Amino acid sequence: GAVVSQHPSRVICKSGTSVKIECRSLDFQATTMFWYRQFPKQSLMLMATSNEGSKATYEQGVEKDKFLINHASLTLSTLTVTSAHPEDSSFYICSAISYGRALNEQFFGPGTRLTVL
Amino acid sequence: KQEVTQIPAALSVPEGENLVLNCSFTDSAIYNLQWFRQDPGKGLTSLLLIQSSQREQTSGRLNASLDKSSGRSTLYIAASQPGDSATYLCAVRKAAGNKLTFGGGTRVLVKP
Repeated sequence: GAVVSQHPSRVICKSGTSVKIECRSLDFQATTMFWYRQFPKQSLMLMATSNEGSKATYEQGVEKDKFLINHASLTLSTLTVTSAHPEDSSFYICSAISYGRALNEQFFGPGTRLTVL
Repeated sequence: KQEVTQIPAALSVPEGENLVLNCSFTDSAIYNLQWFRQDPGKGLTSLLLIQSSQREQTSGRLNASLDKSSGRSTLYIAASQPGDSATYLCAVRKAAGNKLTFGGGTRVLVKP
């Protein structure tokens, strides 16, 4: 399967700081990327969908000014958690699909564990 | 609105036993269905993808069936091993490029 990477894998920050998480598709061009968050023992919650070169579409209840998404190229999307607070602590996972690949198979990154003190 | 359900939420079996994991969805108008595995603290690994026109897919010890009309998919894992212990998630996509709708997952423990 295709490879999606995330960086960093783990980040600890103080309340009020901003954190940027990078998501890269390593061996394919990702026309669409998705950002999820996951709380312990729960399933994934979709935050937003982004297509290369256009603004992200956010799910209901997700603050677009707090979670800034930039899908600047076909292989890179970034999620910036602005002015992070302890309640933003979570596991963030990105995912990507490519129309160029058959079947719309979706591939996931390894996740980023964010802890806000 | 599509809803995806996975039952049971947790399953424990002795090593060597076959695993049967169930997934049901309320709207049969799907584009494809994907099964994933998630290990604790990790991302998701794609196991099998079934297109809406297909009835099953196989990969090694894994076999997934799809009955679109009844809104069901089943993941079979033959001769389970302790390394198969993980959470298994199914997800459906309504149309190409659309988001996946996930089930709550089945947490599997294979005891040596």
